[in-house]
Amino acid sequence: QKEVEQDPGPLSVPEGAIVSLNCTYSNSAFQYFMWYRQYSRKGPELLMYTYSSGNKEDGRFTAQVDKSSKYISLFIRDSQPSDSATYLCALCRAAGNKLTFGGGTRVLVKP
Amino acid sequence: DAGVIQSPRHEVTEMGQEVTLRCKPISGHDYLFWYRQTMMRGLELLIYFNNNVPIDDSGMPEDRFSAKMPNASFSTLKIQPSEPRDSAVYFCASSRDRAFAYTFGSGTRLTVV
Repeated sequence: QKEVEQDPGPLSVPEGAIVSLNCTYSNSAFQYFMWYRQYSRKGPELLMYTYSSGNKEDGRFTAQVDKSSKYISLFIRDSQPSDSATYLCALCRAAGNKLTFGGGTRVLVKP
Repeated sequence: DAGVIQSPRHEVTEMGQEVTLRCKPISGHDYLFWYRQTMMRGLELLIYFNNNVPIDDSGMPEDRFSAKMPNASFSTLKIQPSEPRDSAVYFCASSRDRAFAYTFGSGTRLTVV
């Protein structure tokens, strides 16, 4: 069993819809949670990170963490075609330590 | 800031040949990571350095893989001899101490035929 599970998609939505992405993990030692976005033929780039359970908002993006259920989510409001990319969750056991990535979910936002 | 610079962008080589991938991290970043990405296995951490010292190489698949960081501004990942199953995109990333904002390079797409 992988440490971090993520549905590979693709997830296709019309422009303006809410995109809902999630990851589950098995090891409660993970304390830091991140979402990266990867465009085709590019390296991943950090979107958001959070430490505690609860919500964190940044513009159109909201990250949710539920440590008790070992479940993290990313919501994208008012999705745009430019949001079409692969979204990867990444988890870390302690500050400064290595990241463990989910497999990524491919998102397509259709105009 | 030019970001993390990787070379070459694409590499096609024959099985059995030596392959060297290069990375220049962002100045001031003291962590450097080498990842491999494939459709089947996603992003896998191969090895990472802190202040030029290898900290964890448990992800290096076999002895054919080696990595060095002779100074703070340069790292190499070498595969000798290369095999078709090594075909993947290899990413280098760097970060500051205790930071999660890894900056990734654009990757090297390796094809071994």
